[in-house]
Amino acid sequence: GAVVSQHPSWVICKSGTSVKIECRSLDFQATTMFWYRQFPKQSLMLMATSNEGSKATYEQGVEKDKFLINHASLTLSTLTVTSAHPEDSSFYICSASRAIEQYFGPGTRLTVT
Amino acid sequence: TQLLEQSPQFLSIQEGENLTVYCNSSSVFSSLQWYRQEPGEGPVLLVTVVTGGEVKKLKRLTFQFGDARKDSSLHITAAQPGDTGLYLCAGGSNDYKLSFGAGTTVTVRA
Repeated sequence: GAVVSQHPSWVICKSGTSVKIECRSLDFQATTMFWYRQFPKQSLMLMATSNEGSKATYEQGVEKDKFLINHASLTLSTLTVTSAHPEDSSFYICSASRAIEQYFGPGTRLTVT
Repeated sequence: TQLLEQSPQFLSIQEGENLTVYCNSSSVFSSLQWYRQEPGEGPVLLVTVVTGGEVKKLKRLTFQFGDARKDSSLHITAAQPGDTGLYLCAGGSNDYKLSFGAGTTVTVRA
C-alpha cells in the first residue's frame, strides 16, 4: 500500500504557458500532500503544504501566484505552474502524508523552452 | 540552510563491503525517515524511527536513531550493486513537514 502517482511524468512547454501537474494517492486518503522541487544533484526543497479543503501553505520565497495548488479531494492535489519560464525547469515531486510518514510520487520533469 | 547534515556526500565501494551513512543535526526531531532515490524517480521510504535509541533492521540495512533524537545512521552490510542510489535522511516535525539532508550518493561496484 501507500502508492502515489504523478501525471505527467515529463512535460515540455513554451515560455509563458501554464502547466498542471497532478498528484494522486491511489490506495489511501491523504489530508495533507506536499510539493517539492529538486534541482540536479541536490536534495528536495519543500515548496508548499497542500491541505484538503483549505488554502495551501507556501514556504518562504515560493510565489503562491505562480505555483497554484489545489487539493480538491483526499486523493488528489494539483500544482499549476503559471506563466512558466526557463528558470522554472526542474523536477517536481509530490508526497502524500499518511500519519507521520510521507510517500512520494515518481516526479514530473518540467522543461520550459 | 540544511537542518540535517549528511556525511559522506559520496561513497563508492566494492560489492560485498560494508558502509555507513550519517545524519546529524542540532535540532530534535519527532521522527527520522530514510529514503532511497534513483535518478529520475521519487524517493522511496526505507524506514521511520521515532524513539531515541531505536534500532531497526531490514535485511542487510540497519538504522539507528540517536538517544537525543538529533542524529541517525544507516549501515549496509555486504553491499550489492542494487544498493546504488541517493540516500536521504529527513527529520519530521510536529506539523508533519520533513527537513531533508543533502543526500549521500552511494555507488556499489560489481
